[in-house]
Amino acid sequence: NAGVTQTPKFQVLKTGQSMTLQCAQDMNHNSMYWYRQDPGMGLRLIYYSASEGTTDKGEVPNGYNVSRLNKREFSLRLESAAPSQTSVYFCASSQSESSYNSPLHFGNGTRLTVT
Amino acid sequence: AQSVAQPEDQVNVAEGNPLTVKCTYSVSGNPYLFWYVQYPNRGLQFLLKYITGDNLVKGSYGFEAEFNKSQTSFHLKKPSALVSDSALYFCAVKGGYNKLIFGAGTRLAVHP
Repeated sequence: NAGVTQTPKFQVLKTGQSMTLQCAQDMNHNSMYWYRQDPGMGLRLIYYSASEGTTDKGEVPNGYNVSRLNKREFSLRLESAAPSQTSVYFCASSQSESSYNSPLHFGNGTRLTVT
Repeated sequence: AQSVAQPEDQVNVAEGNPLTVKCTYSVSGNPYLFWYVQYPNRGLQFLLKYITGDNLVKGSYGFEAEFNKSQTSFHLKKPSALVSDSALYFCAVKGGYNKLIFGAGTRLAVHP
């Protein structure tokens, strides 16, 4: 039971380069999320997708775009990477965005460094 | 606006002693509170939640949390700490549009 799978695990980019972080879940969850984790700041929501076909901005969306490709997959794209985007990125999923009872299931993260 | 605060960056405890990781919250309306744990190089794992009902919530790995409405707190507790409990712990609250808002995290170090 894989749960939430993120690729790649590590990535180093130069300023201005682009890349896409991939995420897939096999739990048939409706909602998916992208968070970034920075020291002393906890996790901050970048974008989320309440259900297939919908995406919405979170707390820190600037510099990112997302695509909910299908129910399983939710990708995060950096069009022009900046050093401020150096972080650990986590994808998560939950059964329902509107349910207060459904916990989040997280992937193991992508550690991104922008030089 | 909804928020959570974890006042301690790190908590140190000896193995076998009780542990407490503190969390306070600020919400409008009923709070929906969560604890997650993060082990090195891993994603966060759900520990427990408070939605309604008993103020003492039991979760995974022997952890429990006490909801205190008057003090707006949701402290994580365990009667007897294990070295394997050493990890980063996050408190979270359901914010607007049902999104989770996380605290900054508390690093728990359990010493043999």
